[in-house]
Amino acid sequence: GAVVSQHPSRVICKSGTSVKIECRSLDFQATTMFWYRQFPKQSLMLMATSNEGSKATYEQGVEKDKFLINHASLTLSTLTVTSAHPEDSSFYICSAREGLALYEQFFGPGTRLTVL
Amino acid sequence: AQSVAQPEDQVNVAEGNPLTVKCTYSVSGNPYLFWYVQYPNRGLQFLLKYITGDNLVKGSYGFEAEFNKSQTSFHLKKPSALVSDSALYFCAVRDILMDTGRRALTFGSGTRLQVQP
Repeated sequence: GAVVSQHPSRVICKSGTSVKIECRSLDFQATTMFWYRQFPKQSLMLMATSNEGSKATYEQGVEKDKFLINHASLTLSTLTVTSAHPEDSSFYICSAREGLALYEQFFGPGTRLTVL
Repeated sequence: AQSVAQPEDQVNVAEGNPLTVKCTYSVSGNPYLFWYVQYPNRGLQFLLKYITGDNLVKGSYGFEAEFNKSQTSFHLKKPSALVSDSALYFCAVRDILMDTGRRALTFGSGTRLQVQP
């Protein structure tokens, strides 16, 4: 149980285009989802927290107009990188927390974004 | 603010030897502590957690960790390392007192474990 999937696993796009990454909880209802960004050989940095049906809470320094997060259902959250630039190239990882769970977060396999 | 330190970028150990990956934390209240492992181009896999109770926590794949409140440490250990344990290990903390309800984790910088045959 407690599986989180991400799609796509890898994406290459041209500078200026927008890319959407999906995060799904496959066998539980995720009231809260987290989006992290990981640069090569670095740790995970929390970008934003999204609760189903409400606006995402962004961490300081993360541009909300550039990284659009939608959490429209209890099993799906999307991260859209708008007008992507090479510096947005990174590994994006989502995690999900089940409704009443106090401790557990389950992580997706990640999406490697490369912006040319 | 909560923070986690993993002082070693890389740990090298011979197969069959015991391994330790260090982690220290800083929180205002009581911590929830976690260890995750990451293989190349993969997401994080949960290893173990400390919430309360026994200071020695046993987790997946033979790993264990000891919570030491006085030293604010939560070192990851395994009695006998395997080559397949080679991966990137992250320690993470959540501050119960300062948590605003987001329940987000703060991660350490990661330690690469290399187990030599």
